Amino acid sequence: EDKVVQSPLSLVVHEGDTVTLNCSYEVTNFRSLLWYKQEKKAPTFLFMLTSSGIEKKSGRLSSILDKKELFSILNITATQTGDSAVYLCAVVGNEKLTFGTGTRLTIIP
Amino acid sequence: NAGVTQTPKFRILKIGQSMTLQCTQDMNHNYMYWYRQDPGMGLKLIYYSVGAGITDKGEVPNGYNVSRSTTEDFPLRLELAAPSQTSVYFCASSVVLPGGTDTQYFGPGTRLTVL
Repeated sequence: EDKVVQSPLSLVVHEGDTVTLNCSYEVTNFRSLLWYKQEKKAPTFLFMLTSSGIEKKSGRLSSILDKKELFSILNITATQTGDSAVYLCAVVGNEKLTFGTGTRLTIIP
Repeated sequence: NAGVTQTPKFRILKIGQSMTLQCTQDMNHNYMYWYRQDPGMGLKLIYYSVGAGITDKGEVPNGYNVSRSTTEDFPLRLELAAPSQTSVYFCASSVVLPGGTDTQYFGPGTRLTVL
């Protein structure tokens, strides 16, 4: 059975701090790993990772995948209150996605 | 493109009632998915479809049925609603890109309460 584990489950930091969110997985026929940000409604797509060691970057967010050790990290630098959300990791394998339970990030002004 | 649309946005059902959650996408995506998200939990896959006429069970299919008669539509049916089915339901679609990579697009969700 495919499995995706995210840590920590929740994180509270002050504005301006840097955070690292973790995602480890066990999945058959891995194809890609995706990161989503979920505020109040549907998840919004952040990154898709398919190759090890290649960093994807978008503004203050970045992510990297390690296919040998089966994990990915999502970094957010200089956090802002608008970064408060649940961050979901999902892995594509065998034609479907398996999601982790998410990391709830709270940014204190 | 409207993307992925879901109706209704909210619904309250009594135990034992049935209903259909509608999902439509206009992006000509092959793959469509139904997820449920319980409070404080991640998304769990209910059913998915790899193309018109083909559906398969996900992690939590019990109590639900789906059909995929067209590429665009993927309705989710609840036959005998139970309180355990109180959740937010998300529909999603994706296209398989060359190289086997994949990105999902989500609908806005349907909040269902069973009393």
